[in-house]
Amino acid sequence: SQTIHQWPATLVQPVGSPLSLECTVEGTSNPNLYWYRQAAGRGLQLLFYSVGIGQISSEVPQNLSASRPQDRQFILSSKKLLLSDSGFYLCAWNNRGRETQYFGPGTRLLVL
Amino acid sequence: KQEVTQIPAALSVPEGENLVLNCSFTDSAIYNLQWFRQDPGKGLTSLLLIQSSQREQTSGRLNASLDKSSGRSTLYIAASQPGDSATYLCAVETSGSRLTFGEGTQLTVNP
Repeated sequence: SQTIHQWPATLVQPVGSPLSLECTVEGTSNPNLYWYRQAAGRGLQLLFYSVGIGQISSEVPQNLSASRPQDRQFILSSKKLLLSDSGFYLCAWNNRGRETQYFGPGTRLLVL
Repeated sequence: KQEVTQIPAALSVPEGENLVLNCSFTDSAIYNLQWFRQDPGKGLTSLLLIQSSQREQTSGRLNASLDKSSGRSTLYIAASQPGDSATYLCAVETSGSRLTFGEGTQLTVNP
């Protein structure tokens, strides 16, 4: 069966510090991968998605970036965090578009 | 730009009651509509996916309907239980595997 992992589960970072969140999927190959952010009082917002290694589509211009160095690994990064980057970050996957997306447990990020 | 709205934002009902959650979207050019459940501090769990060509899907006590032309979907929960307490999110998929989410309905089922 397929599983999706995210770490860390919780992170507290000062403004201006770098960020690296990791997501990995097991039990499937060549998945579509997605990064979402859920901010307090707001719905989920799609940040990035990837259909293959090195293929990243950005949905929202901001100080975040994403990379996919391996088939089942998706990384969300920032060089300098802003207060507005605080939120709940969720990674998701599916085998292809138009299918159910399966979500990871999330990373709660607090930028102080 | 696709926008998804969920009504009500919060709902509190006694155990055993049947209930309906509403979702509307502005652009009917969708591939599918999905309902998710989110427990506090957790990720999302997929409940039902309705393809754009379908009218409804059922899973256990859950039934979701889709009226694409009017931009509406409902999630019907029969015989609600305290374990159903969670936030329910509606999302529509448009081109490029993009999911646009509503802000959710926070459901509390009281024993």
